[in-house]
Amino acid sequence: DAGVIQSPRHEVTEMGQEVTLRCKPISGHDYLFWYRQTMMRGLELLIYFNNNVPIDDSGMPEDRFSAKMPNASFSTLKIQPSEPRDSAVYFCASSYYGQEQYFGPGTRLTVT
Amino acid sequence: GQQLNQSPQSMFIQEGEDVSMNCTSSSIFNTWLWYKQDPGEGPVLLIALYKAGELTSNGRLTAQFGITRKDSFLNISASIPSDVGIYFCAGQGAGNNRKLIWGLGTSLAVNP
Repeated sequence: DAGVIQSPRHEVTEMGQEVTLRCKPISGHDYLFWYRQTMMRGLELLIYFNNNVPIDDSGMPEDRFSAKMPNASFSTLKIQPSEPRDSAVYFCASSYYGQEQYFGPGTRLTVT
Repeated sequence: GQQLNQSPQSMFIQEGEDVSMNCTSSSIFNTWLWYKQDPGEGPVLLIALYKAGELTSNGRLTAQFGITRKDSFLNISASIPSDVGIYFCAGQGAGNNRKLIWGLGTSLAVNP
C-alpha cells in the first residue's frame, strides 16, 4: 500500500517567494497533520484536519502560513511570503481515528 | 508548546548491548507512541500503547505504558547497527483533541 506522499522532497527558494507544499494522505485515513521539524524546536504540530475540516491551527506560526484540504486525498501548506527562518523539514502525517499517525518522507525547505 | 521529557538525549553503545530510554510527562496520557526516524526520512511508528500497564513487543523492541499514565519506556534488546537513528516518544491526552505531544528524541549510535 502507498504511504503518505509529499512533494516536493526538496525546495530551495528566495526570501519573499511563495512556497506550496503538497501532501496525499493514506487512503481511508480521516485525519491529516502538518508538522515542522527543526533541530532547536523538534517536531511542532502546525495544523490538523478531520474529514477535510481544520480542527486545530494553533500551531501555525503567523498569517504567512495557510493550509487547505480541498478533498480527502490532498492537502497543501502554503507560505507567503517565505522567510529564512521558515527553513525546516515539513512533514505531513495521516491517521485513522487520529491516534497512530503515519508520516510522509518530508519536504526539506531552504529559504535563502 | 508542551514537550515530553525524554532521556537520555543520546546514547553510544556496542553492538549486542541492550538499550533503554524513557519519557515522562506532567500530564496524564491515554496513548503513548514510539517512533524511529532515520536521516532524511519521516518518523516511523514502532509501537503504540493504549492502556496503563500495557507491555507490548515488536521484535527486539519492548515498550510499556506506565501505570501512572505519565510515563513510558522503550527497550531494545541485542542492538544491531541498523538500530541507529533517533527515537521519539509521543503522548496523546483524553478527549477529542488528537494533538500528539512529542519528546525531543534519543539519538542512538551503535558501534559494530
